[in-house]
Amino acid sequence: AQKITQTQPGMFVQEKEAVTLDCTYDTSDQSYGLFWYKQPSSGEMIFLIYQGSYDEQNATEGRYSLNFQKARKSANLVISASQLGDSAMYFCAMQGNKLVFGAGTILRVKS
Amino acid sequence: DAGVTQSPTHLIKTRGQHVTLRCSPISGHKSVSWYQQVLGQGPQFIFQYYEKEERGRGNFPDRFSARQFPNYSSELNVNALLLGDSALYLCASSFSRKYSGNTIYFGEGSWLTVV
Repeated sequence: AQKITQTQPGMFVQEKEAVTLDCTYDTSDQSYGLFWYKQPSSGEMIFLIYQGSYDEQNATEGRYSLNFQKARKSANLVISASQLGDSAMYFCAMQGNKLVFGAGTILRVKS
Repeated sequence: DAGVTQSPTHLIKTRGQHVTLRCSPISGHKSVSWYQQVLGQGPQFIFQYYEKEERGRGNFPDRFSARQFPNYSSELNVNALLLGDSALYLCASSFSRKYSGNTIYFGEGSWLTVV
């Protein structure tokens, strides 16, 4: 069975600083994918970044980058230059025939 | 192009009642999945439908059922509602059965409150 663990229930970051959101995963599959989603209070799931298990380079999408450490089974999200609009819930998820989500981390950006 | 649309956006039901939630996927997408997100938790997989057939089912009781229509839209039905069914119900649309990269699109969800 696949499992995602997000150990940080909540995080604070100062505007314009970088922040790392932790995600560890467990799977017996050799091929898998990892996602990060942002969920504002409206409820919509917004795709941020994807990393395939065979991708050699860490994924980057604008201010978002994924620190993928396969041997440690971790896929941390790094947000650079935080903005007030980054305040939201963030979910790490693993791909299979379904998405398996972690419990999420609430990020609050302070001005 | 229209994204994934869900209806209704908000609804309140009484314990024991029945509810039907609807989802229209992105044009051309053949897979629809349903997720339940209870407040303070991550979404939990309920069903996946692909080409009008059930392709996956999560750990939910038989009170939960779904179907996919020839136009690939989908309905999620919940019978005999319990207070614990109060949640945000998310629909996800994708072209294929397997997910990869940025190929999954979520609707804005249906907020269900059971009183």
